[in-house]
Amino acid sequence: EIVLTQSPGTLSLSPGERATLSCRASQSVRSSYLAWYQQKPGQAPRLVIYGASSRATGIPDRFSGSGSGTDFTLTITRLEPEDFAVYYCQQYGSSPFTFGPGTKVDIK
Amino acid sequence: EVQLLESGGGLVQPGGSLRLSCAASGFTFSSYAMSWVRQPPGKGLEWVSAISGSGGSTYYADSVKGRFTISRDKSKNTLYLQMNSLRAEDTAVYYCAKHRIVVGDAFDIWGQGTMVTVSS
Repeated sequence: EIVLTQSPGTLSLSPGERATLSCRASQSVRSSYLAWYQQKPGQAPRLVIYGASSRATGIPDRFSGSGSGTDFTLTITRLEPEDFAVYYCQQYGSSPFTFGPGTKVDIK
Repeated sequence: EVQLLESGGGLVQPGGSLRLSCAASGFTFSSYAMSWVRQPPGKGLEWVSAISGSGGSTYYADSVKGRFTISRDKSKNTLYLQMNSLRAEDTAVYYCAKHRIVVGDAFDIWGQGTMVTVSS
């Protein structure tokens, strides 16, 4: 089983600032099959990035993903009020399709 | 509009059974793999099970293997999760999710979730 570790656990930033979230895998993720999801309180998760760097439909270009192998990054260039949420990474290259524990991006 | 609507959650005693349903609309159901993902109250996401578009391949997390069964009915555009021998640690919101295409793909559409509480 691939174990995903996310850091930091919480990121306190102000609107307009840049957010950098990290996801590290215990072993190489096949073909960069790594996704990022955004979840707001009381809502279902929403796909943000798939294939490590491809934006999902409707996701603004201030969101970008990068990385390969065991190290991946989600970057939000300028935080908007609606971006404050919990972000989970997930690998879907091999079963079980594990999620990381999440990074909470909250307002400073 | 692509939509997933879960139902069947509720309160069940330890050792009991429950069947969750997920009604799909707005896309060709049989062309896409589907998964169940759960989230205990106040905690993170845990993938539970997946099924291929044809239904011929199924996958399970170790925590539910042998107790849960995923299935799909093409004629009803519905995904199911049969949960047996339920434990307190199965308490969670259960989401169904559509894969972008195949099992080895990200989850691009999620339902709103249904709550399962296992307690005496």
